[in-house]
Amino acid sequence: GAVVSQHPSWVICKSGTSVKIECRSLDFQATTMFWYRQFPKQSLMLMATSNEGSKATYEQGVEKDKFLINHASLTLSTLTVTSAHPEDSSFYICSARDYRKDGYTFGSGTRLTVV
Amino acid sequence: GENVEQHPSTLSVQEGDSAVIKCTYSDSASNYFPWYKQELGKRPQLIIDIRSNVGEKKDQRIAVTLNKTAKHFSLHITETQPEDSAVYFCAAIVDTGTASKLTFGTGTRLQVTL
Repeated sequence: GAVVSQHPSWVICKSGTSVKIECRSLDFQATTMFWYRQFPKQSLMLMATSNEGSKATYEQGVEKDKFLINHASLTLSTLTVTSAHPEDSSFYICSARDYRKDGYTFGSGTRLTVV
Repeated sequence: GENVEQHPSTLSVQEGDSAVIKCTYSDSASNYFPWYKQELGKRPQLIIDIRSNVGEKKDQRIAVTLNKTAKHFSLHITETQPEDSAVYFCAAIVDTGTASKLTFGTGTRLQVTL
């Protein structure tokens, strides 16, 4: 139980374009999802907390206009990287928690490469 | 906010030896401490966790200890195997529900050699 599906697993895009990443909770409802960014050989850094039906909460230093988050349903959150640049290249991972259990479940991650 | 420090950053042990990874946290209100294993390019996987009302928890070759007074917790892996090689992250959280945010340590790259 507590499965989180994330798509795409990898994407290559041109600089200046936008990329959308989807995160779905498959067997539970997630009122809250978390979006992380992980650079090579570094830890997971929380970017924002996605709240169903309301605005996302962004961590300090994360541009909300660049990283658009939408949490339109209890099972789906999306992260759109707008006007992507090479420095946005990273591993993006979502996470959610099944309220019935301890522990946070992670999506499989999306490796974004901006060329 | 919470700050989690993790040591060592890299750890190399021989197969069969034990490995210990240590973390400290800053927020005395933190009450839930999970450990994650992440293989290259993969998602973090929960391997063990502990709550603040428990001092130690064990699951086969893996154990976690918690010292609330000193605000540190440790991961112990015994009889290490090559498949234990991965990056391990500790985390801490003031758990008040599903919107509570995890704070991760910086990670430890464990290499188990033959």
